[in-house]
Amino acid sequence: GENVEQHPSTLSVQEGDSAVIKCTYSDSASNYFPWYKQELGKRPQLIIDIRSNVGEKKDQRIAVTLNKTAKHFSLHITETQPEDSAVYFCAASIGGGGSQGNLIFGKGTKLSVKP
Amino acid sequence: GAVVSQHPSWVICKSGTSVKIECRSLDFQATTMFWYRQFPKQSLMLMATSNEGSKATYEQGVEKDKFLINHASLTLSTLTVTSAHPEDSSFYICSAGPTGKSYEQYFGPGTRLTVT
Repeated sequence: GENVEQHPSTLSVQEGDSAVIKCTYSDSASNYFPWYKQELGKRPQLIIDIRSNVGEKKDQRIAVTLNKTAKHFSLHITETQPEDSAVYFCAASIGGGGSQGNLIFGKGTKLSVKP
Repeated sequence: GAVVSQHPSWVICKSGTSVKIECRSLDFQATTMFWYRQFPKQSLMLMATSNEGSKATYEQGVEKDKFLINHASLTLSTLTVTSAHPEDSSFYICSAGPTGKSYEQYFGPGTRLTVT
């Protein structure tokens, strides 16, 4: 079946450094790629997304890049802060028909930002 | 905008009983809602897709007679865990996709179910 692979599973950076999380997907029909941030015990929050007609999207300190040919996309966080510490999930859209609108999620990356 | 609520936030029930979890989109209409299960330190596992006015679509391996889903309106979907067993204990999260915004999903706060 379709899947999304996410790396690394854990990432530790010093405050102020950049963090990069990478995902690859298998469904060539995927055209929507969101990133979610989940703090402990809380709901996943949509932080940025990108559609297949765009190669890069930026929102303040976070950016997402997409390479459709290689079927991979990445999340970039610059000038990291302790409050960026959380688990980040990438996802890719799949299917159509009865499964219209489904997302398949990566396994998550636990980001720790050390002050 | 795009706020999703879920109720209850936590519930403890005895084996054999049923539990209903509600998911509401508060400020938008959602033709489609999704139910996920999340184990500790793991990713989100899609259980089923709930479409307003029609039967839910269940993922492979999810028992539709055990996890009953009803999506009676554009702002409410319910998940009923029937004849609950301890192995059903988990964190259940719903998400809702605004009608017309393909693939976007906003999550509820989740429900922690503990079956004793």
